[in-house]
Amino acid sequence: QSALTQPASVSGSPGQSITISCTGTSSDVGKYNLVSWYQQHPGKAPKLMIYEVIKRPSGVSNRFSGSKSGNTASLTISGLQAEDEADYYCCSYANSRLFGGGTKLTVL
Amino acid sequence: QVQLQESGPGLVKPSQTLFLTCTVSGGSISSDDYYWTWIRQPPGKGLEWIGYIYYSGSTYYNPSLKSRVTISLDKSKNQFSLKLSSVTAADTAVYFCAREVSSGTWFDYWGQGTLVTVSS
Repeated sequence: QSALTQPASVSGSPGQSITISCTGTSSDVGKYNLVSWYQQHPGKAPKLMIYEVIKRPSGVSNRFSGSKSGNTASLTISGLQAEDEADYYCCSYANSRLFGGGTKLTVL
Repeated sequence: QVQLQESGPGLVKPSQTLFLTCTVSGGSISSDDYYWTWIRQPPGKGLEWIGYIYYSGSTYYNPSLKSRVTISLDKSKNQFSLKLSSVTAADTAVYFCAREVSSGTWFDYWGQGTLVTVSS
């Protein structure tokens, strides 16, 4: 099983929206609505931002949203803020658990 | 509030066995709602799922690590542990323990992580 594919980096200006993609296969992302997204600041543990493709845990800003189409899941962050600058990882169920390679978000 | 805390040696020699423990507070590892999981992150790289243990003792490991990994439970101490044998420099990483919700496969609580370096 290969890791999920994410862009290495994305960037946006404060107030803008960005989308991070996470591409898998019909055996993982495409088969199950079990994609989650994590935010990781340097030197910190990852933090759950989205689960089951579209659900947001209590306490996570509604500026974060998830979606899926076919074998690709996406995380959208609207109204970018400086504190959103971090690494973002997707994860999918596939009997095992597959992570994406991570995307570094830069807020310009 | 659930908290997880990793502990163990920060330096392991090549070919030896890495051993880490995760202590859970604010919740019971005997719950049937969760998998208790290990995840690692090599310096400057992405996350890699290692495996999990369920309250019953059943385990599931990453196929790429399966031959070297053992995860075990100590319910009396509310702890679970990771053993990784025959380590090499490629096993140098920050090791996180985490709680995975068994009904949906997401990691809702994480430990702070502990760096393990494999070096002679």
